[in-house]
Amino acid sequence: GAGVSQSPSNKVTEKGKDVELRCDPISGHTALYWYRQSLGQGLEFLIYFQGNSAPDKSGLPSDRFSAERTGGSVSTLTIQRTQQEDSAVYLCASGSSPPDTQYFGPGTRLTVL
Amino acid sequence: AQSVTQLDSQVSVFEEAPVELRCNYSSSVSVYLFWYVQYPNQGLQLLLKYLSGSTLVESINGFEAEFNKSQTSFHLRKPSVHISDTAEYFCAVRIKGSNYKLTFGKGTLLTVNP
Repeated sequence: GAGVSQSPSNKVTEKGKDVELRCDPISGHTALYWYRQSLGQGLEFLIYFQGNSAPDKSGLPSDRFSAERTGGSVSTLTIQRTQQEDSAVYLCASGSSPPDTQYFGPGTRLTVL
Repeated sequence: AQSVTQLDSQVSVFEEAPVELRCNYSSSVSVYLFWYVQYPNQGLQLLLKYLSGSTLVESINGFEAEFNKSQTSFHLRKPSVHISDTAEYFCAVRIKGSNYKLTFGKGTLLTVNP
């Protein structure tokens, strides 16, 4: 079956612009996660959704970052007023309930100039 | 809070040699343990996981890892590596019993030379 998909695969933006990153989880997976992978910080958790609600937003680095999930499926991660330190690969993962494995998408590489 | 330490940031071996990638974790509660692999320019793929039961788990491509509770370790081993095993390997933990975040180690870049 289809895996987790993310779009765009690459995004180049100018400092100060807003960006939206999209994640389509595996069909039927109720849990959805966003992570960030950067050279200096490794893999960092950003936010977790169960259905459409986000019980854990503890990893969002600032209030410029927000995410939503609609219909228990697609999720969008929005970064406002991007900064150069936001440059990273943003990874989405989904999982079923009861908890087991998280399956990762290919990521979106964000470059802020 | 949980933490994961991968002791080697880079490991380089020759083809057909054995390899061990080390992973230690710290947690005040019980955890699940995972190894993920990231091939060049690709996403993260699950390699193997320990949830419960036998402490020795194996992957389909010859890797194995053993959960050692007393040493809080989950080292990854392969008796004979191939050039195609060249990749970055990430150890991760997650709190048992919940849909909860993964906490990753910094990764070990494994290079297999001909």
